[in-house]
Amino acid sequence: NAGVTQTPKFRILKIGQSMTLQCAQDMNHNYMYWYRQDPGMGLKLIYYSVGAGITDKGEVPNGYNVSRSTTEDFPLRLELAAPSQTSVYFCASSYSDEKLFFGSGTQLSVL
Amino acid sequence: GESVGLHLPTLSVQEGDNSIINCAYSNSASDYFIWYKQESGKGPQFIIDIRSNMDKRQGQRVTVLLNKTVKHLSLQIAATQPGDSAVYFCAENSEDTGRRALTFGSGTRLQVQP
Repeated sequence: NAGVTQTPKFRILKIGQSMTLQCAQDMNHNYMYWYRQDPGMGLKLIYYSVGAGITDKGEVPNGYNVSRSTTEDFPLRLELAAPSQTSVYFCASSYSDEKLFFGSGTQLSVL
Repeated sequence: GESVGLHLPTLSVQEGDNSIINCAYSNSASDYFIWYKQESGKGPQFIIDIRSNMDKRQGQRVTVLLNKTVKHLSLQIAATQPGDSAVYFCAENSEDTGRRALTFGSGTRLQVQP
């Protein structure tokens, strides 16, 4: 099993550009999550999903959108990138809402 | 212990010593707690978890203690090794405004001196 796979690993965006961060898991987990981690800080929940077709907002959803058309994939969309969205983004999945398995992250800079 | 801010609290220990990393949580309704280890440039890795109906749980070289009275969680690492150097996060799970998801602390950096 590859676990949770995130692409790309690094990306630089200009203000106002859009992009999609990809996340895929091969563990047949129902629960999937997107967190962001600012330097020296903990992880803040952006969006999560408890199954295909179901998504919910987390603590910091503004400026982001998600979709969950399959169990395996949970892409995160940034429509109008802003400097405040410079962060490291982690996708995670889990069998229930407890023990999460994380990907290796996407480092995003918005300049 | 845990704190909010730009500068992570740091615990520096000698190789072979025991380490204790502390975490305070605020939600008395939290019923599940978990510790993660994050090495530089990597995603968080699961270490150990505990439910609120327990006050201690042991793993390989690690022990988690839960004190619900004072809302305090600690991670003990026995015979700390250089490979244990990382940032450690605690997280809690509780129902909050209809959402049940892990809420993370800001982390503690563990530095192991050879």
